[in-house]
Amino acid sequence: NAGVTQTPKFRVLKTGQSMTLLCAQDMNHEYMYWYRQDPGMGLRLIHYSVGEGTTAKGEVPDGYNVSRLKKQNFLLGLESAAPSQTSVYFCASSYEGASQPQHFGDGTRLSIL
Amino acid sequence: GQNIDQPTEMTATEGAIVQINCTYQTSGFNGLFWYQQHAGEAPTFLSYNVLDGLEEKGRFSSFLSRSKGYSYLLLKELQMKDSASYLCAVEDSNYQLIWGAGTKLIIKP
Repeated sequence: NAGVTQTPKFRVLKTGQSMTLLCAQDMNHEYMYWYRQDPGMGLRLIHYSVGEGTTAKGEVPDGYNVSRLKKQNFLLGLESAAPSQTSVYFCASSYEGASQPQHFGDGTRLSIL
Repeated sequence: GQNIDQPTEMTATEGAIVQINCTYQTSGFNGLFWYQQHAGEAPTFLSYNVLDGLEEKGRFSSFLSRSKGYSYLLLKELQMKDSASYLCAVEDSNYQLIWGAGTKLIIKP
């Protein structure tokens, strides 16, 4: 049982490049989330999904897009990377949205030069 | 605005007890979570409180006072492996988690 798997684990991009971060969960969870974690700050929600085919904006959605075509996968895209998007990105999932613990992937460390 | 406050760093001795505080001001309250995060790793769930009082789970306990906007995580019989960051998160009226910046706990022999 893998839980939540994120790929890639590390990536270095140049400003203006695009990329997609993949998150896959095998727990049949309905809800999935993308967060970013920066030094000295709490986790900040970028986008989330309450089920297959749905997405919604979180606290810091600008510069990111997401898709949830299959229940088990949640993709985070950066269309034109900026240095301000240098961060550690975590994907999480939960069985339901309310009052349920979230299960996290190991994170993607992304540097934008 | 919404705000979660935790001490940035704490130091404790192996075998001792430590209390990590969390105060919050959020738009609504639907529960409070504590997570543990070792350096370079993912956060992992520790506890959940929605009613006032103490929840005990082995060496870890978590307390909540909704009227005071206050919670603490109590760690007993500290072990070296407890060296980690401890994250407090509040579920607001939209059932979204608002996260504190975390408390880095350093355990000394």
